[in-house]
Amino acid sequence: SQQGEEDPQALSIQEGENATMNCSYKTSINILQWYRQNSGRGLVHLILIRSNEREKHSGRLRVTLDTSKKSSSLLITASRAADTASYFCATDAGAGANSKLTFGKGITLSVRP
Amino acid sequence: ETGVTQTPRHLVMGMTNKKSLKCEQHLGHNAMYWYKQSAKKPLELMFVYNFKEQTENNSVPSRFSPECPNSSHLFLHLHTLQPEDSALYLCASSQVGAAKNIQYFGAGTRLSVL
Repeated sequence: SQQGEEDPQALSIQEGENATMNCSYKTSINILQWYRQNSGRGLVHLILIRSNEREKHSGRLRVTLDTSKKSSSLLITASRAADTASYFCATDAGAGANSKLTFGKGITLSVRP
Repeated sequence: ETGVTQTPRHLVMGMTNKKSLKCEQHLGHNAMYWYKQSAKKPLELMFVYNFKEQTENNSVPSRFSPECPNSSHLFLHLHTLQPEDSALYLCASSQVGAAKNIQYFGAGTRLSVL
């Protein structure tokens, strides 16, 4: 399975600190995405990185991809209490009509005010 | 508001009941998905529909019956469920064939089977 596995499973930090979350996967991918889920709600897409990219930025988010290690990291800088949520990585080995996302179990991030 | 609406938000049913979950997307996407989310487990893909045609059924028990009358609507018909079927059921849509397969999720239906 190429299912992404996130770690740690849970992370608790103080507001203003940076949060780093990791995702590892088993087989080659085309695209890796990160999603966020607030308690009891649906997932929301955050950022996408392709296999030929090493780093992407979006606001306070930075995602890196190391295809040789089959791993990705999501960094949230200057965290806020509102960043408290679960974060999921989703891998996709396909493209176009063969695209299919596989999600991990998620990381629970708690940001203390 | 993600453009994907799920109803009802909460559902409690007995094992002998028949109920349906509804999903509607206003994004003009060509693919819709049903996922099951249980505590401490990865998100489980149940069904995929591309252009109203079912393209994936991940060994889902027959007590779950999907229906996709058009590209904007997706239903999940439930019949004689088991307590272990209690979970958050998420619907998503995407534009398959686009450069990025970003999925847009509804808020989910929290199902409790008694």
